[in-house]
Amino acid sequence: KQEVTQIPAALSVPEGENLVLNCSFTDSAIYNLQWFRQDPGKGLTSLLLIQSSQREQTSGRLNASLDKSSGRSTLYIAASQPGDSATYLCAVRYNTDKLIFGTGTRLQVFP
Amino acid sequence: NAGVTQTPKFRVLKTGQSMTLLCAQDMNHEYMYWYRQDPGMGLRLIHYSVGEGTTAKGEVPDGYNVSRLKKQNFLLGLESAAPSQTSVYFCASSRGKGQPQHFGDGTRLSIL
Repeated sequence: KQEVTQIPAALSVPEGENLVLNCSFTDSAIYNLQWFRQDPGKGLTSLLLIQSSQREQTSGRLNASLDKSSGRSTLYIAASQPGDSATYLCAVRYNTDKLIFGTGTRLQVFP
Repeated sequence: NAGVTQTPKFRVLKTGQSMTLLCAQDMNHEYMYWYRQDPGMGLRLIHYSVGEGTTAKGEVPDGYNVSRLKKQNFLLGLESAAPSQTSVYFCASSRGKGQPQHFGDGTRLSIL
């Protein structure tokens, strides 16, 4: 069964720290992988999308890496800010039209 | 630019009642999706559509029906609501296969 796991489930850090969120998937034959942010009571905002042929993508203070062989992706957030507080979701697409989501990491950045 | 709009935002139903959730997108996207989000389970795909007039089953389709009569709209119907359908429902759209999905703000549905 194709599954996506995110660890840790929750994370609390002081402002300014660099941090890493982890995503692992059981089937390495992915088409692409997408990272989302979800604020409380809101929908999902796409942050980064990595194609299976890519190793990483960057947007501002965010960097996502992909290692298909080990079934892992990481989202690196540099110099974290209170405004980064949200739930971060990883979703994997195989050669279908469907995304398989992890359960997310709830991040709190305190001043 | 509205993006993906879901109506209603909140709804409380009694067991056995029916209702329709509406999703509208103004980005001319071909693909549209309905998900449900439950605590500890992540988002799960209910149904999806790869173009006007087409629908397909996702991971958890039972108890739901969908229609895509117009390209910009994707409707999710509950014919006879059950407490197990209490959830937050999200609609998403994308340009096509493998393209980023854009999400609405969700519909919070409670079945008593």
